[in-house]
Amino acid sequence: DAGVTQSPTHLIKTRGQQVTLRCSPKSGHDTVSWYQQALGQGPQFIFQYYEEEERQRGNFPDRFSGHQFPNYSSELNVNALLLGDSALYLCASSWGGSEGTQYFGPGTRLTVL
Amino acid sequence: AQRVTQPEKLLSVFKGAPVELKCNYSYSGSPELFWYVQYSRQRLQLLLRHISRESIKGFTADLNKGETSFHLKKPFAQEEDSAMYYCALTGGRRALTFGSGTRLQVQP
Repeated sequence: DAGVTQSPTHLIKTRGQQVTLRCSPKSGHDTVSWYQQALGQGPQFIFQYYEEEERQRGNFPDRFSGHQFPNYSSELNVNALLLGDSALYLCASSWGGSEGTQYFGPGTRLTVL
Repeated sequence: AQRVTQPEKLLSVFKGAPVELKCNYSYSGSPELFWYVQYSRQRLQLLLRHISRESIKGFTADLNKGETSFHLKKPFAQEEDSAMYYCALTGGRRALTFGSGTRLQVQP
């Protein structure tokens, strides 16, 4: 089991563009959470998907949206990119909603120029 | 609102010295507390959770509800303990709230 995988590893975009990040959960997990980690900060919760629905959401604007597929993999979409969106985006998977231990992926480094 | 505070950005100790990484939290209900660790070039991973009440790699952490703290301790630091440590909280089926992290440097 490769654990949680994320793609791509790195991404460079310009302001105003749109980006899609992908996450495959650990085998046996059905819940995916997304976090944004700015430089020098701890991860900040964006949203969580369970049973293909957004179950919880952090304090992020509607420019941030997501999706979960029937195989439990997930996408994070960010529209109208701002310079401040530059960060490491982490995906974490768990089982049975938010109560399970979360396992993190290696992250996608997004740079917005 | 739930909040986690790690007051130290950097903690530097010598090998064999005791370590205490501080974590204070704010939460109105009954929280579940965690310590996550990130070693160089590795992903974030769970070190321990308070409900397990176990010692992992010699580290322990006790939840003090009176002081709203969950400090991470190890009696004798090893060089391989050098890493970034994050305290995190969840409660009421909410997602994790992380502190800003403390970098532990263990010098030889």
